[in-house]
Amino acid sequence: DQQVKQNSPSLSVQEGRISILNCDYTNSMFDYFLWYKKYPAEGPTFLISISSIKDKNEDGRFTVFLNKSAKHLSLHIVPSQPGDSAVYFCAASVKDSSYKLIFGSGTRLLVRP
Amino acid sequence: DTAVSQTPKYLVTQMGNDKSIKCEQNLGHDTMYWYKQDSKKFLKIMFSYNNKELIINETVPNRFSPKSPDKAHLNLHINSLELGDSAVYFCASSQIDRDTEAFFGQGTRLTVV
Repeated sequence: DQQVKQNSPSLSVQEGRISILNCDYTNSMFDYFLWYKKYPAEGPTFLISISSIKDKNEDGRFTVFLNKSAKHLSLHIVPSQPGDSAVYFCAASVKDSSYKLIFGSGTRLLVRP
Repeated sequence: DTAVSQTPKYLVTQMGNDKSIKCEQNLGHDTMYWYKQDSKKFLKIMFSYNNKELIINETVPNRFSPKSPDKAHLNLHINSLELGDSAVYFCASSQIDRDTEAFFGQGTRLTVV
């Protein structure tokens, strides 16, 4: 049972435009959400996170929005750059004793020059 | 300095062999994890250790045995390797009493032939 879903396996965007990556979750106990970026043959690298008490968090070109009632979060990248081309994973966790991350299946973003 | 380093990066071995993957973190984190990325690219947690104590064991076969000699190291030993064990294994670390992200190693691509 997939608790974190990324329904778009891929996304192609023109350089300079906005990239919007979406993520849905089913477990209402999740209270911390993260986005990771992954290049081929490398480990995931942390991009941005948001606590469930917030609905928006911004860091430079990256903004994460959380809609708890819809159990949906999205990552906005503005403006998109060719170096942003990578696989983006959404992850969620419950801040209990384990802090394990539940990952989505990833969305491959291609930013075209 | 690499924050989370794992060795080897690539491992090709025959069915039935026993192999180990090593992981070290220099971030001073108290919790370390092993994740497996399967052929469908899902990242799933396998184990987590907090201060050398096992806190997560996600229904992983007994052939997989993590060992944490100290809180900076978490090694993964796999006995009697099977074809289905072929995957990319990622080590990660975090500090679980803070809202901090998990840092991942570069991954070990294990191929069982």
